[in-house]
Amino acid sequence: DAKTTQPPSMDCAEGRAANLPCNHSTISGNEYVYWYRQIHSQGPQYIIHGLKNNETNEMASLIITEDRKSSTLILPHATLRDTAVYYCIVRVEGWSGNQFYFGTGTSLTVIP
Amino acid sequence: KAGVTQTPRYLIKTRGQQVTLSCSPISGHRSVSWYQQTPGQGLQFLFEYFSETQRNKGNFPGRFSGRQFSNSRSEMNVSTLELGDSALYLCASSFRPVPSSYEQYFGPGTRLTVT
Repeated sequence: DAKTTQPPSMDCAEGRAANLPCNHSTISGNEYVYWYRQIHSQGPQYIIHGLKNNETNEMASLIITEDRKSSTLILPHATLRDTAVYYCIVRVEGWSGNQFYFGTGTSLTVIP
Repeated sequence: KAGVTQTPRYLIKTRGQQVTLSCSPISGHRSVSWYQQTPGQGLQFLFEYFSETQRNKGNFPGRFSGRQFSNSRSEMNVSTLELGDSALYLCASSFRPVPSSYEQYFGPGTRLTVT
């Protein structure tokens, strides 16, 4: 079952902030939101994760709404190398461990 | 620190054959997960191993199996290959799979083509 919903594609001008939304309306209290990205034919790359507070690292910022039903990944100054598919993932704690459900992903194209 | 390595990187097999893929996690990581990626289905979770035990399994037929060794290296096996098994198989490692936040680090994948 799909656990997250993302727009299939987005464009962003180089140097501008890229704001990637994700809906996870069925998230439960102890589930984290993770963001990964995948550049063509490479393995996914971890970006950031959070539970309920906003998070920031050297790559991006993660804004989670107060009700935790949605979040936004912000790349503050997009470059051409940020062109990739971005996955919003909710980590589900299953009966025997943990699973990662990858959403459909958003294909971000950074335009020169 | 070396990243996750997967071998082989590319593989071509014939329908009906079986295949074994290998994954070496980052040093110190004890959890290994496997994913299948296809254009139609996207990234799908196969299974997760921790300390040589399968902790979780995705919704795949029994033809897909795996194991983990004492040094945390993992293998996955697909028997009786079907054309639909053609995919990029990704391995990811993490320090531990406990119910707290953790990151997975992915390898470059093995591209399997079944003809």
